[in-house]
Amino acid sequence: AQKITQTQPGMFVQEKEAVTLDCTYDTSDQSYGLFWYKQPSSGEMIFLIYQGSYDEQNATEGRYSLNFQKARKSANLVISASQLGDSAMYFCAMRGSNTGNQFYFGTGTSLTVIP
Amino acid sequence: GAGVSQSPSNKVTEKGKDVELRCDPISGHTALYWYRQSLGQGLEFLIYFQGNSAPDKSGLPSDRFSAERTGGSVSTLTIQRTQQEDSAVYLCASSLLLAGGSPSTDTQYFGPGTRLTVL
Repeated sequence: AQKITQTQPGMFVQEKEAVTLDCTYDTSDQSYGLFWYKQPSSGEMIFLIYQGSYDEQNATEGRYSLNFQKARKSANLVISASQLGDSAMYFCAMRGSNTGNQFYFGTGTSLTVIP
Repeated sequence: GAGVSQSPSNKVTEKGKDVELRCDPISGHTALYWYRQSLGQGLEFLIYFQGNSAPDKSGLPSDRFSAERTGGSVSTLTIQRTQQEDSAVYLCASSLLLAGGSPSTDTQYFGPGTRLTVL
């Protein structure tokens, strides 16, 4: 069974500071992908970053980086130099090669950036 | 269009009525997905299309829910005899699922959602 766990329902960070949002996963697939999405109050899901299970280097995308620790089955999102516009819900998701095309989402972390 | 579009953006209906939600995926994207998000919750997978066929309908919560896709493009999600527990945001996503490509690398792009309220 596939499972994504996000243990932080809410996080606060000071503007311009870095913040780490936790995500752990459980899968028996050898090949899988990990994704992070941002959902602002407008409701739209915005793709942020992707990490493949065979990728040796951590993914980076601008101020976003993914701290991938395969042995620990964790895929934490790091946001550097937080901005007020980063305040949103953040969802971790996984898709495995043996689970068809279904994405499994975590319950999300609400991030609030404090000026 | 540049992104996934959904209509209507908001729908208020009375219990027992049927509703149709529409999704227009990104041009050229072969895969299309429907999700449901209840207030303060994560995403619940409903159904997935590859082209016009739906190989995975496992997430549809009841036989009141159905979906179709025509021409490999637009999809409609129909909810018959709506109930109050159907109230949620219904999100559609599409992806470019290449033949022989690894599904692990297939990124989904989401539409803005339809907020359904059943009174």
